[in-house]
Amino acid sequence: DQQVKQNSPSLSVQEGRISILNCDYTNSMFDYFLWYKKYPAEGPTFLISISSIKDKNEDGRFTVFLNKSAKHLSLHIVPSQPGDSAVYFCAATHGGSNYKLTFGKGTLLTVNP
Amino acid sequence: NAGVMQNPRHLVRRRGQEARLRCSPMKGHSHVYWYRQLPEEGLKFMVYLQKENIIDESGMPKERFSAEFPKEGPSILRIQQVVRGDSAAYFCASSQQGAGNEKLFFGSGTQLSVL
Repeated sequence: DQQVKQNSPSLSVQEGRISILNCDYTNSMFDYFLWYKKYPAEGPTFLISISSIKDKNEDGRFTVFLNKSAKHLSLHIVPSQPGDSAVYFCAATHGGSNYKLTFGKGTLLTVNP
Repeated sequence: NAGVMQNPRHLVRRRGQEARLRCSPMKGHSHVYWYRQLPEEGLKFMVYLQKENIIDESGMPKERFSAEFPKEGPSILRIQQVVRGDSAAYFCASSQQGAGNEKLFFGSGTQLSVL
């Protein structure tokens, strides 16, 4: 049973435009959410996170929105750059066990120049 | 670069052989985590270790898999009698502390292929 779902395997966006990556979860116990970025042949790199007590967190070009009632979060990248092209993983955890992440399958973002 | 180091990057084994995957955490980190990514899947937690201790192995398959993090040297993930279904990317991560909302730093992974 997949508890974290990223329903879009891929997304293509023009440079300078906004990229919106979506993630849904089913486990209502999740209270901390993270986004990781992964380039080919590299490990995932932490990007941004959000606690369930917030509905928005912003870091430069990256903003994560959390809608707890819908069990949905999204990552906005604006403006998108070609270097943002990577696989983006949504992950979730609960109970302070930040090491025990449940990952989605990932979304491949391609930013075209 | 004092990042998380994993080796080998690629490992090919025949069915029934043993696979040993090594992970050296970032300098100053004493907490190590192993994750597995099967084809077309997200990463799945396997085990959390500190030096000479297994803290949480709730994600480890019950048979053939074991992990250690000795006092000296890297953490080892060992898979005995490998089967084709073990083919996956195995990622190691480390952190300085093991509690709270501390982010994990991942290595580049070991791609295990079982023939």
